Amino acid sequence: GAGVSQSPSNKVTEKGKDVELRCDPISGHTALYWYRQSLGQGLEFLIYFQGNSAPDKSGLPSDRFSAERTGGSVSTLTIQRTQQEDSAVYLCASSKGGNYGYTFGSGTRLTVV
Amino acid sequence: AQRVTQPEKLLSVFKGAPVELKCNYSYSGSPELFWYVQYSRQRLQLLLRHISRESIKGFTADLNKGETSFHLKKPFAQEEDSAMYYCALRRGSNYKLTFGKGTLLTVNP
Repeated sequence: GAGVSQSPSNKVTEKGKDVELRCDPISGHTALYWYRQSLGQGLEFLIYFQGNSAPDKSGLPSDRFSAERTGGSVSTLTIQRTQQEDSAVYLCASSKGGNYGYTFGSGTRLTVV
Repeated sequence: AQRVTQPEKLLSVFKGAPVELKCNYSYSGSPELFWYVQYSRQRLQLLLRHISRESIKGFTADLNKGETSFHLKKPFAQEEDSAMYYCALRRGSNYKLTFGKGTLLTVNP
């Protein structure tokens, strides 16, 4: 596609429910990143994919968070048993790798009530 | 571990005044440094990176390894420069970007 697409753009969920956030990277971009953006915390790294493997998942805050990428393309970030502190904007970015910069999606705003 | 510090959460200047957004980093190797910008209701986008040594929208940034800084500067601020600015560091290609917490720049008329 022309850009990085994320869905849904907004998600309101009840505490304790599971949510899935989707990222569709730019075609041909081998690297994919998930970040969390919250007020006062800036952008927190969550996980990085190179192809379908995740060489760096050091930023996942707890075992309630998981992510996968299939076919070297679409990625899904899953948050189980959501908590109020999970409320944030979840950003996805993709890159050709190497010295190329990231292209960010518009994010999913998650609100846990 | 690498860390990026942006000491100012908020910065307010008048149109036409010079502006400097500070960024300091800690990393023992030779990092790649970037500035990203997010205008209101828009996506985060790359502004410039130190390896390109370019000027974008009148902004420049010089990597000072002695002071471990990568401050963003513009001699004459414009109202359309109002945005959130993030400094970011990468250990090298194919590594993640580590971001600072951002500085919200407001340029007043």
